[in-house]
Amino acid sequence: AQSVSQHNHHVILSEAASLELGCNYSYGGTVNLFWYVQYPGQHLQLLLKYFSGDPLVKGIKGFEAEFIKSKFSFNLRKPSVQWSDTAEYFCAVSPLNSGTYKYIFGTGTRLKVLA
Amino acid sequence: GAGVSQSPRYKVAKRGQDVALRCDPISGHVSLFWYQQALGQGPEFLTYFQNEAQLDKSGLPSDRFFAERPEGSVSTLKIQRTQQEDSAVYLCASSLERTGELFFGEGSRLTVL
Repeated sequence: AQSVSQHNHHVILSEAASLELGCNYSYGGTVNLFWYVQYPGQHLQLLLKYFSGDPLVKGIKGFEAEFIKSKFSFNLRKPSVQWSDTAEYFCAVSPLNSGTYKYIFGTGTRLKVLA
Repeated sequence: GAGVSQSPRYKVAKRGQDVALRCDPISGHVSLFWYQQALGQGPEFLTYFQNEAQLDKSGLPSDRFFAERPEGSVSTLKIQRTQQEDSAVYLCASSLERTGELFFGEGSRLTVL
């Protein structure tokens, strides 16, 4: 079955620390990849996406992610986190040509940034 | 409206009651998804509409769950004879196309007592 794994469930960092959140998926075909963020009290919103082309994609607020096809991974990075990055982060996969319409989400990573 | 609107934001139901959750997607968005998010989990797919056609309902957990989108815009998720395990946040998302960016509503939090 198709699935998405996020390895870190809770991450605590100090401001200015670097961030990397892991995401692996299980699907052998072509995928669209996403990272969504949910700030406290707000709805899920798109952070960045990968459809094709350059595997290093840049999103809002200084976030970036790298698609490594051979590793089925789409890890999220930010060189220097801010207190305002405190949120829950979800990796999601849309398998193409799979006969399914679903987007598959990971279980999320709660990031707390200490001021 | 500018975004996806869901109502009610909060619903408390007694076990056995029927509930209806409404989603008003972004105007012009063809695709509409319903997801269920339990505490501490990621969103789990329930069902997908392309315009008024329900093309995938593989995620609906039981026949107590029913969704419709009769005119290809507003959608309703109905849960009959609610059970405690139905307690969750129900998320609606819309998209211009089937595999593009999802725009989420704020969700409807259902608590079944």
